[in-house]
Amino acid sequence: EIVLTQSPGTLSLSPGERATLSCRASQSVSSSYLAWYQQKPGQAPRLLIYGASTRATGIPDRFSGSGSGTDFTLTISRLEPEDFAVYYCQQYGDSRVGFGQGTKVEIK
Amino acid sequence: EVQLVESGGGLVQPGGSLRLSCAVSGFTVRTNYMTWVRQAPGKGLEWVSLIYTGGSTYYAESVKGRFTISRDNSKNTLFLQINSLSAEDTAVYYCARGLKNFDYWGQGTLVTVSS
Repeated sequence: EIVLTQSPGTLSLSPGERATLSCRASQSVSSSYLAWYQQKPGQAPRLLIYGASTRATGIPDRFSGSGSGTDFTLTISRLEPEDFAVYYCQQYGDSRVGFGQGTKVEIK
Repeated sequence: EVQLVESGGGLVQPGGSLRLSCAVSGFTVRTNYMTWVRQAPGKGLEWVSLIYTGGSTYYAESVKGRFTISRDNSKNTLFLQINSLSAEDTAVYYCARGLKNFDYWGQGTLVTVSS
């Protein structure tokens, strides 16, 4: 079973700042099978990035994903007020799905 | 327009059972991979189960033998039968479309296990 570890647990930033979120896998993950989600309180998760670096439909270009193997990154170039939320990475492999524990991006 | 609408959650006693439904519109359940994901109060996302287009089913170890995923093609609906419930199963249960990633999600249905 692949375990995803996200860091930091909480990121305190101001609007306009850059956010860098990390997702580390316990073993290599195919880039095709790595995704990122945003979740706001009381809402379902929203797909942001799939295939490690492809933005989902309607996702602003301030969101970008990168990485390969065991290390993946979600970057938000300039935080907008609506970007303060919890972010999860997710992987698929061998008919199993795993999520990271989440990174909360909060207003400083 | 794509919509996934979960129902069937509620308060259930330990050891009890529920059948969750996910009514889908805008695409065909039979020709898409579908999944259930749950989220305990204040916690992160936990994958529960997958059903492939061919009908193969897969489960997280924490629910294997107690939960059953299925679909009714005529009703375009996904189901999750959940049995032998314990407090650790208390969560919002989401259905979602996809296999490698999940592009459409329902709003979730809350299952509370308590005496």
